[in-house]
Amino acid sequence: EDQVTQSPEALRLQEGESSSLNCSYTVSGLRGLFWYRQDPGKGPEFLFTLYSAGEEKEKERLKATLTKKESFLHITAPKPEDSATYLCAVQPPLIQGAQKLVFGQGTRLTINP
Amino acid sequence: KAGVTQTPRYLIKTRGQQVTLSCSPISGHRSVSWYQQTPGQGLQFLFEYFSETQRNKGNFPGRFSGRQFSNSRSEMNVSTLELGDSALYLCASTLVGQGASYNEQFFGPGTRLTVL
Repeated sequence: EDQVTQSPEALRLQEGESSSLNCSYTVSGLRGLFWYRQDPGKGPEFLFTLYSAGEEKEKERLKATLTKKESFLHITAPKPEDSATYLCAVQPPLIQGAQKLVFGQGTRLTINP
Repeated sequence: KAGVTQTPRYLIKTRGQQVTLSCSPISGHRSVSWYQQTPGQGLQFLFEYFSETQRNKGNFPGRFSGRQFSNSRSEMNVSTLELGDSALYLCASTLVGQGASYNEQFFGPGTRLTVL
């Protein structure tokens, strides 16, 4: 069964204190790994998609990397506005190109000023 | 370009009633997926529609159903509501095609359903 585990569940950092969030997965034949940001009461906001081991993508203070078994979301010198829940999802191989995503439980990130 | 829109944003129903939620995808996007989000189970896939056909279905009872119209707008219906159906219902739209960007799913703001 396809499974996604995110750690830690919650992380509290001081402004400017860099860290990494982890997403480990078990899926046969990964089609893609997605990272989203979700603010309370809102829908997830798309951040990145990674497709192959060794791939990296960056956006402002965020950098996502992918290996064969896990992905990391590195946050460099975070600001209070980076506080949110970060969700990781995998797209397993399905017939006819179906768009199902399997999500982890998320990491709740709090940045203190 | 307008994002994914969902209506209504909030809904309160009682047990046994039925409800219909609506989703309008980003213009040009042809696939619509539906997800249920609860504090205990997180985000779980309900089903996906493409070209008015259901392509995949998650592990939910038959009370949950959906459809897609020729303009790609989608509706989902939940019949005989139960207390456990209280959740944030999210839809996501995907462009669909060849190439990495065609695979990206963009979510709407969700419909918050409360069942009393």
